[in-house]
Amino acid sequence: AQTVTQSQPEMSVQEAETVTLSCTYDTSESDYYLFWYKQPPSRQMILVIRQEAYKQQNATENRFSVNFQKAAKSFSLKISDSQLGDAAMYFCAYRSATRAAGNKLTFGGGTRVLVKP
Amino acid sequence: GAGVSQSPSNKVTEKGKDVELRCDPISGHTALYWYRQSLGQGLEFLIYFQGNSAPDKSGLPSDRFSAERTGGSVSTLTIQRTQQEDSAVYLCASSLGLAGAQEQFFGPGTRLTVL
Repeated sequence: AQTVTQSQPEMSVQEAETVTLSCTYDTSESDYYLFWYKQPPSRQMILVIRQEAYKQQNATENRFSVNFQKAAKSFSLKISDSQLGDAAMYFCAYRSATRAAGNKLTFGGGTRVLVKP
Repeated sequence: GAGVSQSPSNKVTEKGKDVELRCDPISGHTALYWYRQSLGQGLEFLIYFQGNSAPDKSGLPSDRFSAERTGGSVSTLTIQRTQQEDSAVYLCASSLGLAGAQEQFFGPGTRLTVL
């Protein structure tokens, strides 16, 4: 079974600065998808960014970018120019590309991001 | 509405009672998922439905938990004889299908408290 680990329970960042959230995962599969979801106090999970494992190029979405290291099984999220609205819980998630494995997301434990004005 | 909706938003029940949680997915989404978010266990997959295929129930923690999806749309998660350890936020999500890096769109969740 796959596992996802987020080693930082909480990270604090000054507004306009950059913060990097770490995520490692364990899998024997070669094809899979990785996601970062944001969960604000409203509880509604919002997709931040996604990465297909077969793509070497790191995904970017505006101020959000990832550093995907397949061999190291690492998938970190960088938030640049942090804004107050970025304050939330961030979850790293894994999904197998194998149909037999199902379509479920396996989540890490989450990292709380605090943004200081 | 444009997003996934869930009801009720909050539910308080007594130990031993049955509860039903409802999820309305985004129109046209063929896949629907239930997850549970609790302090002790984090975010866990419970069950998912895809079209007319048999659901994947591999995440259901016990036979007290069941779910159905009527008409390929609305889903109900039922917990029978609730226990205090069932207290959690139950999240529903839907997606267009299963292919590729499909985004799962989440609802706001139902917070269940078992006294």
